[in-house]
Amino acid sequence: DIQMTQSPPVLSASVGDRVTLSCKASQNINKNLDWYQQKHGEAPKLLIYYTNNLQTGIPSRFSGSGSGTDYTLTISSLQPEDVATYYCYQYNSGYTFGAGTKLELK
Amino acid sequence: QIQLVQSGPELKKPGESVKISCKASGYTFTDYAMNWVKQAPGNGLKWMGWINTQTGKPTYADDFKQRFVFSLETSASTAYLQINNLNIEDTATYFCTRWAAADFDYWGQGVMVTVSS
Repeated sequence: DIQMTQSPPVLSASVGDRVTLSCKASQNINKNLDWYQQKHGEAPKLLIYYTNNLQTGIPSRFSGSGSGTDYTLTISSLQPEDVATYYCYQYNSGYTFGAGTKLELK
Repeated sequence: QIQLVQSGPELKKPGESVKISCKASGYTFTDYAMNWVKQAPGNGLKWMGWINTQTGKPTYADDFKQRFVFSLETSASTAYLQINNLNIEDTATYFCTRWAAADFDYWGQGVMVTVSS
């Protein structure tokens, strides 16, 4: 099974900061990776699909990149409404979520 | 608009069964597979498997092959998750989510299942 490791587990940042969340796969996943945002008490929401494609309706401050085993979600200017837990998810071989990065305001 | 509306919270005793529903609207139900995702309290997301809404064939992740049953009522655009012989570790929120290609583009609101004696 492919393991997905997200770092850091918790990230504190200030409004306006550029924020980078990382996700590392235990083997090459060929860019078959999505990012989901889950706010407290809500269902997850698809942000980015196939590594770098912005889902309809998602603000352009969110972007994704990566290849091979290493992937990144970037928020160019953190907004208060971005406080959430972010999960990466691979579908290259089986279907696996990372453990999440909890993004907090400093 | 596209919606997945799930049934309400459940409180069950160990050994009992539960069946939760996920009613889809706003799209053709059989055009998209339905997946189920578990989230234990304070934990992350775990993919449970999916059901082909055209054939009714379920596919279960390894950890969910024994007591879990996915089913459909296609005429009602509804998917079901049944969990048999509940134990404490089944306490979680269960989400249904629509599968568009390989992405989960719409999600139900989740159903909290609590198993307690």
